[in-house]
Amino acid sequence: GENVEQHPSTLSVQEGDSAVIKCTYSDSASNYFPWYKQELGKRPQLIIDIRSNVGEKKDQRIAVTLNKTAKHFSLHITETQPEDSAVYFCAAPGEYSGGGADGLTFGKGTHLIIQP
Amino acid sequence: ETGVTQTPRHLVMGMTNKKSLKCEQHLGHNAMYWYKQSAKKPLELMFVYNFKEQTENNSVPSRFSPECPNSSHLFLHLHTLQPEDSALYLCASSQDGEVGGFQETQYFGPGTRLLVL
Repeated sequence: GENVEQHPSTLSVQEGDSAVIKCTYSDSASNYFPWYKQELGKRPQLIIDIRSNVGEKKDQRIAVTLNKTAKHFSLHITETQPEDSAVYFCAAPGEYSGGGADGLTFGKGTHLIIQP
Repeated sequence: ETGVTQTPRHLVMGMTNKKSLKCEQHLGHNAMYWYKQSAKKPLELMFVYNFKEQTENNSVPSRFSPECPNSSHLFLHLHTLQPEDSALYLCASSQDGEVGGFQETQYFGPGTRLLVL
């Protein structure tokens, strides 16, 4: 099955600086990589995702890059703000069946702290 | 938010009790999922249902019994649980992508916080 590793477990940055969170995956057949943000006591919410037919995707201050050869993908947040403080999870399809509804295997999460 | 709802939001039960968690999605999706989130482990997949058929069971103990009567509703029946089963149980739903295509986005419900005494 899929194995997803996520680093770092905690990341503290100054407000306005950039933050980068990295994940690796093991199944070369995986083709979909979402990132979720979870605030304390709330549900995980998708912030961005990338499919394997592209190498980078941007949405305002958030971007994700994918390196299929190395089997890693990263989340980049620029101009960080206090409301970016949360736990971020990366994921990949757990048992890629070739179908369109696979359960996700998640990384252990990164607690992002934005220092004012 | 009303996309994916879960009830109850909090549940306390003894080890000999039987209870059920309910999930409902109002997004027109046809795939639904149960995940477990505990303090010491990442989000763990439990079950996947696609068009009401169970397509994945991630080696979950039989004291957890899922039921999917239709594409909008998903239940998790609980019996003789252990204290280590205390966790946040999250339901999610997605559209079913094309076979051989890409996974579609999964949307999560607010979760049921379960405490087993």
